[in-house]
Amino acid sequence: DVKVTQSSRYLVKRTGEKVFLECVQDMDHENMFWYRQDPGLGLRLIYFSYDVKMKEKGDIPEGYSVSREKKERFSLILESASTNQTSMYLCASSLGLAGLDTQYFGPGTRLTVL
Amino acid sequence: AQSVTQPDIHITVSEGASLELRCNYSYGATPYLFWYVQSPGQGLQLLLKYFSGDTLVQGIKGFEAEFKRSQSSFNLRKPSVHWSDAAEYFCAVGDPDSGGGADGLTFGKGTHLIIQP
Repeated sequence: DVKVTQSSRYLVKRTGEKVFLECVQDMDHENMFWYRQDPGLGLRLIYFSYDVKMKEKGDIPEGYSVSREKKERFSLILESASTNQTSMYLCASSLGLAGLDTQYFGPGTRLTVL
Repeated sequence: AQSVTQPDIHITVSEGASLELRCNYSYGATPYLFWYVQSPGQGLQLLLKYFSGDTLVQGIKGFEAEFKRSQSSFNLRKPSVHWSDAAEYFCAVGDPDSGGGADGLTFGKGTHLIIQP
């Protein structure tokens, strides 16, 4: 059974802190994605990666960075957390390219920035 | 770039009644089409997808969707809903010509399904 896991279900951080969200997939997928989900806005793509050490900006990359040192792990980094980054963060992976193949999602991390 | 519209933010249906969730897309050719479901506190799970061929697609949990090119629609249906179907439903459009770029997949804003006993 395919599995995407995220390091935390709930996270509370203070403004200005550096925040790491971790995502691991066990399906040997090439492609991994980070989305944020906000009420009334749906899912918005932050960054994606199509190979180890490769990354591409999505629709809303400002204030975020990513790291993919190993194929199975994709990290989202908030360099200096701000209150407007309070959101649900979803990680996903796919074998094929975005829009061309099924994406498998993790359970999400609900981040609150105080 | 493609776009997706889910006109209904909330829908309330009685248990046992039929369901139709609407999805309209904007794209120049035939896109790849997906329906995902998000149960409370969970990530998204694929219900079904359409790439080509038969325009009526069967998915998991008794759902089906029909691609109508003339109406640019991909509506999701279920003949009889169960209380466990209460969730958020997302339509998504993939661009076969995007090469997998950042705009390769676009999600709608979602429809929240409420089931009345």
